[in-house]
Amino acid sequence: AQSVTQLGSHVSVSEGALVLLRCNYSSSVPPYLFWYVQYPNQGLQLLLKYTSAATLVKGINGFEAEFKKSETSFHLTKPSAHMSDAAEYFCAIAKTDSNYQLIWGAGTKLIIKP
Amino acid sequence: GAGVSQSPSNKVTEKGKDVELRCDPISGHTALYWYRQRLGQGLEFLIYFQGNSAPDKSGLPSDRFSAERTGESVSTLTIQRTQQEDSAVYLCASSFLGQPTDTQYFGPGTRLTVL
Repeated sequence: AQSVTQLGSHVSVSEGALVLLRCNYSSSVPPYLFWYVQYPNQGLQLLLKYTSAATLVKGINGFEAEFKKSETSFHLTKPSAHMSDAAEYFCAIAKTDSNYQLIWGAGTKLIIKP
Repeated sequence: GAGVSQSPSNKVTEKGKDVELRCDPISGHTALYWYRQRLGQGLEFLIYFQGNSAPDKSGLPSDRFSAERTGESVSTLTIQRTQQEDSAVYLCASSFLGQPTDTQYFGPGTRLTVL
């Protein structure tokens, strides 16, 4: 079975500081991994995805994530937080044995302190 | 070039009533997904369509939930005899082919409140 765990329901960082949102996965097959962002009162949008090409994936708005098989992790980072990054971030893994639904982590709310 | 649209955006209903939620996917997308998002939780898969067929209905919480898709386009999710635990945001997503590497594009959701 595949699953996703996001460590920390809330993460608070100061504006200009490093953002690190953690995601660990469990999968018996090579995973396809996604980070989505949900801004307040907006729909979910894709930040980036890992599809077994480069292990360092760059996304929109300066975010990137690194796939580490040995650590079963796909942590999301951004060197310098901006106020506009305040949102909820979801890590997801594509289910590969049937319907390709996304299996989601519980989400991490990113709070940016001025 | 519209994205995924959903209607209504908000629905308040009384316990025991039936509700119908609509999703218009991106034109040409063959795969369509319904998810449920409860407050403070991740998304919960409900049902998946490939074209007009629903090969996987395993996520539907009970037989009060049903969904259909017509013309490889619009989909409706129907909840009969609503219960308070059905209160959530219902999200629809579509993708081009339904492959695991495909990006799923989400609609804004329908917020359902059952009183």
